[in-house]
Amino acid sequence: GAGVSQTPSNKVTEKGKYVELRCDPISGHTALYWYRQSLGQGPEFLIYFQGTGAADDSGLPNDRFFAVRPEGSVSTLKIQRTERGDSAVYLCASSLTLAGGGTDTQYFGPGTRLTVL
Amino acid sequence: GQNIDQPTEMTATEGAIVQINCTYQTSGFNGLFWYQQHAGEAPTFLSYNVLDGLEEKGRFSSFLSRSKGYSYLLLKELQMKDSASYLCAVSSGGSYIPTFGRGTSLIVHP
Repeated sequence: GAGVSQTPSNKVTEKGKYVELRCDPISGHTALYWYRQSLGQGPEFLIYFQGTGAADDSGLPNDRFFAVRPEGSVSTLKIQRTERGDSAVYLCASSLTLAGGGTDTQYFGPGTRLTVL
Repeated sequence: GQNIDQPTEMTATEGAIVQINCTYQTSGFNGLFWYQQHAGEAPTFLSYNVLDGLEEKGRFSSFLSRSKGYSYLLLKELQMKDSASYLCAVSSGGSYIPTFGRGTSLIVHP
């Protein structure tokens, strides 16, 4: 079946511009996560959705970052007034939610490589 | 918060066995994941340990000791395609969100 998809695969923008990154999770996965990964580092947690609501946004670095998931499926990560330090690979992952309240294994998308010039 | 530590880089010979260690400090431990990530690609799931002991899955095995805050990933009969970064991630607390270590870059040479 289809995995997690992310668009665009690459995005180059200028400092100060606004960008939107899209994630399409595996069908039926209610949990959705955004991470960002810099070269030589592990994925850094940004935000977690359970259905339509942001269950945990403690990883968002500042108020320039925002994410939505209006219908509980596709999610968009929005970055305002981009800075060079925002350059990274932005990964999206989805998983099933378990009956006991935990979540199952995360399946990652291929990522969006964001470059801010 | 969580502190996850794993070696930055390891090298090994094709056909050999390699053990990648991961130590962690956390409260409210739920489980520990290992992911494989090839350069320029997304992480892919390898294993998930909740209880102490060794879990074997083909050429890959993962071990967990919760009392020691320690895990290792064991790769047997190494192949060139095993050259990748191996990420240790710990899930803790009520949200079950995994926190990732920096990853161990494994280089397999002939």
